[in-house]
Amino acid sequence: DIQMTQSPSSVSASVGDRVTITCRASQGISSWLAWYQQKPGKAPNLLIYAASSLQSGVPSRFSGSGSGTDFTLTISSLQPEDFATYYCQQANSFPLTFGGGTKVEIK
Amino acid sequence: EVQLLESGGGLVQPGGSLRLSCAASGFTFSSYAMSWVRQAPGKGLEWVSGIPASGGSTYYADSVKGRFTISRDNSKDTLNLQMNSLRVEDTAVYYCAKDRTSSSSRIDWFDPWGQGTLVTVSS
Repeated sequence: DIQMTQSPSSVSASVGDRVTITCRASQGISSWLAWYQQKPGKAPNLLIYAASSLQSGVPSRFSGSGSGTDFTLTISSLQPEDFATYYCQQANSFPLTFGGGTKVEIK
Repeated sequence: EVQLLESGGGLVQPGGSLRLSCAASGFTFSSYAMSWVRQAPGKGLEWVSGIPASGGSTYYADSVKGRFTISRDNSKDTLNLQMNSLRVEDTAVYYCAKDRTSSSSRIDWFDPWGQGTLVTVSS
């Protein structure tokens, strides 16, 4: 199975800050990676797919990059509604697997 | 508007069975792969099982293989998850999720997700 490791597990940031979250795959997954945002008590919401493609309706302050084993989600200017938990997910091979999550908290 | 409505969750004793259903609307159900993803209380996301649009193959997480069975009824726009030999560690909110892109064989990213149904396994 492919293990997905996210870092950091939590980050404290202020509105307007640039935030970067990293996801590392235990083996190469090309660009078969997605990012999700989840707010408390809600279902996850797809932000980025194919490593760098922005899902329709998602603000352009979110961006994704990387390929192979190392990936990054960047929020260019953190907004109040962005405080949430973020997960990466690989779709290269079964079983599909998620990272452990990164909680973005208010500083 | 795409809607996914899960049902069938509840309290069950260890070793028991439960059948979850997901009623889909707002899209051509038979053209999309579907998956179940779960989240234990206070924990992260775990993909449980997926079925391509064609329904010809099924895929499972190691943790549920041999105990859970995914199926779909394209005539009723319904996804199902039969859960047998339930364990305490199966306690979670179970989400039904649609693949983002129509494809006959791939399962990749999930959009959107249902609101989830809670399964509690406890004596």
